[in-house]
Amino acid sequence: RKEVEQDPGPFNVPEGATVAFNCTYSNSASQSFFWYRQDCRKEPKLLMSVYSSGNEDGRFTAQLNRASQYISLLIRDSKLSDSATYLCVVNMALTGFQKLVFGTGTRLLVSP
Amino acid sequence: EAQVTQNPRYLITVTGKKLTVTCSQNMNHEYMSWYRQDPGLGLRQIYYSMNVEVTDKGDVPEGYKVSRKEKRNFPLILESPSPNQTSLYFCASTGIQGYNEQFFGPGTRLTVL
Repeated sequence: RKEVEQDPGPFNVPEGATVAFNCTYSNSASQSFFWYRQDCRKEPKLLMSVYSSGNEDGRFTAQLNRASQYISLLIRDSKLSDSATYLCVVNMALTGFQKLVFGTGTRLLVSP
Repeated sequence: EAQVTQNPRYLITVTGKKLTVTCSQNMNHEYMSWYRQDPGLGLRQIYYSMNVEVTDKGDVPEGYKVSRKEKRNFPLILESPSPNQTSLYFCASTGIQGYNEQFFGPGTRLTVL
C-alpha cells in the first residue's frame, strides 16, 4: 500500500463546478498535512495546510478525517486557472523535523 | 525576491559523465532537500540537510551525493550518471521556525543517454 494515495484523475469539470479530491494516508501518527498545486512541468507550490478543524481559503476548503485517515480538498466555482495537478502531502516524521511524503497527484481540467 | 534557484534547468548528458546540479536559496532556510519526480511515482526525496555540514539520506539516495558547505547552497552530484537517473529534479528549502512551507526551485530536467 502506498503511504499517500490519490486518484490520478483527470477530473474534467466545467467552469463554475464544484469538485472534490480525496487522499488517504497510511501512517496514523502523521501530524501535518498539506495540499500543493503543480502546474505542468513546473515546481509544486503550497496551496494550503490542512488543520484538524478544517479550514477554508476563498473557494478552497480542506478537511482532515483522522479516524479514516484521509484528507480532502473542495474547490467551489472552478475557474479555468484552477487546471493543474493537486498534490496531497503528509508529514510523516515521527522524530526529527520533517519527512514529507507526496501523493502522485490528482489532475484537474476545467473547461469553458 | 525570496526564491530557490537551480542550474542548469535542462541537461542532456551521457552515461558516466559526472555532473552537478546547483541549488541556492536566499531565505536563510536551515532545511534543504532534493527530490526527483517520475511519472506515476510522485516526488521522492533523495537527500536532505538540516543545516551546514549536516546531511542525510532520503528515500532514494543511491547514485547521488550532496554537500552543504554553506547555508544557502545545496548541490546535487551525480558521480556516474545512468539512464535510470533520467528524471525531473527539484530542490526545496524550509525554515525550521514557525510556518513550515517548503519552497521549491523551478526544476532541472535531466536526460542521461
